[in-house]
Amino acid sequence: EAGVAQSPRYKIIEKRQSVAFWCNPISGHATLYWYQQILGQGPKLLIQFQNNGVVDDSQLPKDRFSAERLKGVDSTLKIQPAKLEDSAVYLCASSPSSAGASYNEQFFGPGTRLTVL
Amino acid sequence: DQQVKQNSPSLSVQEGRISILNCDYTNSMFDYFLWYKKYPAEGPTFLISISSIKDKNEDGRFTVFLNKSAKHLSLHIVPSQPGDSAVYFCAAWGSSGDKLTFGTGTRLAVRP
Repeated sequence: EAGVAQSPRYKIIEKRQSVAFWCNPISGHATLYWYQQILGQGPKLLIQFQNNGVVDDSQLPKDRFSAERLKGVDSTLKIQPAKLEDSAVYLCASSPSSAGASYNEQFFGPGTRLTVL
Repeated sequence: DQQVKQNSPSLSVQEGRISILNCDYTNSMFDYFLWYKKYPAEGPTFLISISSIKDKNEDGRFTVFLNKSAKHLSLHIVPSQPGDSAVYFCAAWGSSGDKLTFGTGTRLAVRP
């Protein structure tokens, strides 16, 4: 079974430029997550999708970050304009079930390392 | 507000000995606690979990202990192997939907 795919793996941009990341979750997984991991910290949830609907985007800086999951499969995360503090690894994860009473394992992709100069 | 804390950023252990990684949390509403392992340039991979109604879960060389009264959990790796060298993240689930709350990670180095 193929894992979570992300591209690009690395991206270097200058501040105020825009950037987009792509994620293809494991086939059949209903829930998709985007996390931001700043160096020296643990991953922090930015946004969670259930199929193509947003479940939680409370920690997404909506003035510059946007995400979509059209057709409930793959997803894109965009930053426009980027700031220096956006330098981080952006991780995509998926899980097989919807929100419920029990934990469903999240499977992570390899991440996209973003450097903002 | 750091709800999940890993106070040791790094740990070095001799091969064959026990590795003990610690994690503290503040939110008593968490239902599950998990450990993820992360190699460089890869995403975190699930290692082991424990429900809040248990106090121990064992899987091969890995055992997780939960002390709810102290709001503390630990991961024991016995015996430690060089391939265990990675960053280990403690995470908690259940206080708010499907959201995982991660600690800051502990880098484990197992010396041959």
